[in-house]
Amino acid sequence: VIWMTQSPSLLSASTGDRVTISCRMSQGISSYLAWYQQKPGKAPELLIYAASTLQSGVPSRFSGSGSGTDFTLTISCLQSEDFATYYCQQYYSFPWTFGQGTKVEIK
Amino acid sequence: EVQLVESGGGLVQPGRSLRLSCAASGFTFDDYAMHWVRQAPGKGLEWVSGISWNSGSIGYADSVKGRFTISRDNAKNSLYLQMNSLRAEDTALYYCAKGVDSSTNTWFDPWGQGTLVTVSS
Repeated sequence: VIWMTQSPSLLSASTGDRVTISCRMSQGISSYLAWYQQKPGKAPELLIYAASTLQSGVPSRFSGSGSGTDFTLTISCLQSEDFATYYCQQYYSFPWTFGQGTKVEIK
Repeated sequence: EVQLVESGGGLVQPGRSLRLSCAASGFTFDDYAMHWVRQAPGKGLEWVSGISWNSGSIGYADSVKGRFTISRDNAKNSLYLQMNSLRAEDTALYYCAKGVDSSTNTWFDPWGQGTLVTVSS
């Protein structure tokens, strides 16, 4: 099993801030990583796949980087609609696993 | 537009069974792998099970192996999860999610809205 450490678990930020979320793997996964956004009461939505490819329709303020064991999700200029919980997911090795989640809240 | 609609959730006693369904539309169902992912109340996401386009490749999380069975009916554009010997720790919102190709090792997009399973006496 590939263990994932996502940090921080809670991030307090203001509109306009640049925020970064980290996801670290227990072993290398090349670029087999996705990021999701989940708002309260809603299903998760795909933001990024293959570590850095932006899903169609996702604003360009979101970006992903990294390969191997260390990955980052960056929101360049936080908007009100971005306050949500974010999860990373690896699809390199069965069983597929998710990070613990990062809740981005209003400071 | 891709739509995934889960059903079959409810309140069930420990040790009993439940069968979840996911009705898919808006895409060629038998071209894609499908998955079940769950989320316990106030908790994170946990992948439960996945099935390839032709049911030739199936996988389960260790937490449900031997108790849950995933299946699909491509003629009916439907995905199923048979859950036996349910435990309190199976209480969660169960999401149906579409893979992005025929194999199971991909990301998930999109997700349904989920069906709630509550295991309690």
